[in-house]
Amino acid sequence: DIQMTQSPSLLSASVGDRVTLNCKASQNINKNLNWYQQKLGEAPKLLIYYTNNLQTGIPSRFSGSGSGTDYTLTISSLQPEDVATYFCFQYNSGPTFGGGTKLELK
Amino acid sequence: QVQLKESGPGLVQPSETLSLTCTVSGFSLTSNSVHWVRQPPGKGLEWMGIIRSGGSTDYNSALKSRLSISRDTSKSQVFLKMNSLQTEDTAIYYCTRSGFVWELDYWGQGVMVTVSS
Repeated sequence: DIQMTQSPSLLSASVGDRVTLNCKASQNINKNLNWYQQKLGEAPKLLIYYTNNLQTGIPSRFSGSGSGTDYTLTISSLQPEDVATYFCFQYNSGPTFGGGTKLELK
Repeated sequence: QVQLKESGPGLVQPSETLSLTCTVSGFSLTSNSVHWVRQPPGKGLEWMGIIRSGGSTDYNSALKSRLSISRDTSKSQVFLKMNSLQTEDTAIYYCTRSGFVWELDYWGQGVMVTVSS
């Protein structure tokens, strides 16, 4: 099975900061990766699909990039409503989620 | 609009079988796939399995021996059955849909299942 490792597991940042969340696969996943945001008590919400495609209705401050085994979610200017846990999900083979990055305000 | 809603028992005895239903609206089960994903309290997400628009299924290899996903297209319902439940199966269970790419773009609210005697 493909293992997905997210880093950091906890990130503290200030409003307006540029924030980068990382996801590393144990083998090449051919850009078959999505990013989800989950707020406390809610279902996950799709932000980015197929590495860099912004889901309809998601603010443009969110962007994704990567290839091979290394992928990144970037928030260009952190807003208070972005406090949440973020998960990556690979569907190249034997679908798996990363362990998550919890994003909090400093 | 697209909606998914999970239903099922909140409490299951150890060693028994879990049966959940996902009722969908706003799209057709013959056009979109439906997945099951679960999340133990305070932990991460685990992909469980998929039933594709054509009716074929795939399962997480760790759950394959215990898990079955089926559907009734006339009722717009997808079913999950998992046997031999243990306390580690305590989780929120979500159904979610995808299209051609595995977007998992719409999710149900989730149903909490506790395995306990």
